[in-house]
Amino acid sequence: QVQLRQWGAGLLKPSETLSLTCGVDGGSFSDYQWSWIRQSPGKGLEWIGEITHTGSTTHNPSLKSRVFISVDTSKNQFSLMVTSVTAADTAVYYCARALSGYSGYNFYYNGIDVWGQGTTVIVSS
Amino acid sequence: DIQMTQSPSSLSASVGDRITITCRASQSIHTYLSWYQQKPGKAPKLLIYSASTLQNGVPSRFSGSGSGTDFALSISNLQPEDFATYYCQQGFSSPRDFGQGTLVEVK
Repeated sequence: QVQLRQWGAGLLKPSETLSLTCGVDGGSFSDYQWSWIRQSPGKGLEWIGEITHTGSTTHNPSLKSRVFISVDTSKNQFSLMVTSVTAADTAVYYCARALSGYSGYNFYYNGIDVWGQGTTVIVSS
Repeated sequence: DIQMTQSPSSLSASVGDRITITCRASQSIHTYLSWYQQKPGKAPKLLIYSASTLQNGVPSRFSGSGSGTDFALSISNLQPEDFATYYCQQGFSSPRDFGQGTLVEVK
């Protein structure tokens, strides 16, 4: 049974850099998109971005160029950095696994089936 | 970007009811649509993917339908554990945004 375990600093000051890492315990590291999602207090889910095991990434333009997602296949880990944080970045951050890829030339996206436990990040001066 | 709009934002129902939540995409996403259930303080749980495929272990009272731009999640014979917030998500293109959520409350 695959489990995602995430860690990182939970309290930041404005302008600092948010850094979270997610470890994948069990299962294959390929054949999936490794994703980050956040949820501001009392709000809905916001998709931040995703990365494959080869390092191919995509992220939400709403976060402009502040987001960096990386992968370390030797450790079965992937990471999120968000620079220049503000109070608007206060949220619960989830790492997650999406079953997605190509079967031949056919793209498939079978949803986000495994989630980390979530990390509460508070940005406050 | 593809905008996902859910309706209603909230609804009140009773145990045993059948409810339907709709999700509309701003452009065709074929059947790249997933549904999630989230309870307070917990991570979301995948219910349905590819618009109508039930995730392993999800009760058969949950069903999904639709293609193109219009989708629906139905729950028949609503159970006490089904009171939660439900989200749709498009997987057709990046950013793979979610709908704003639908809160299902006890009437």
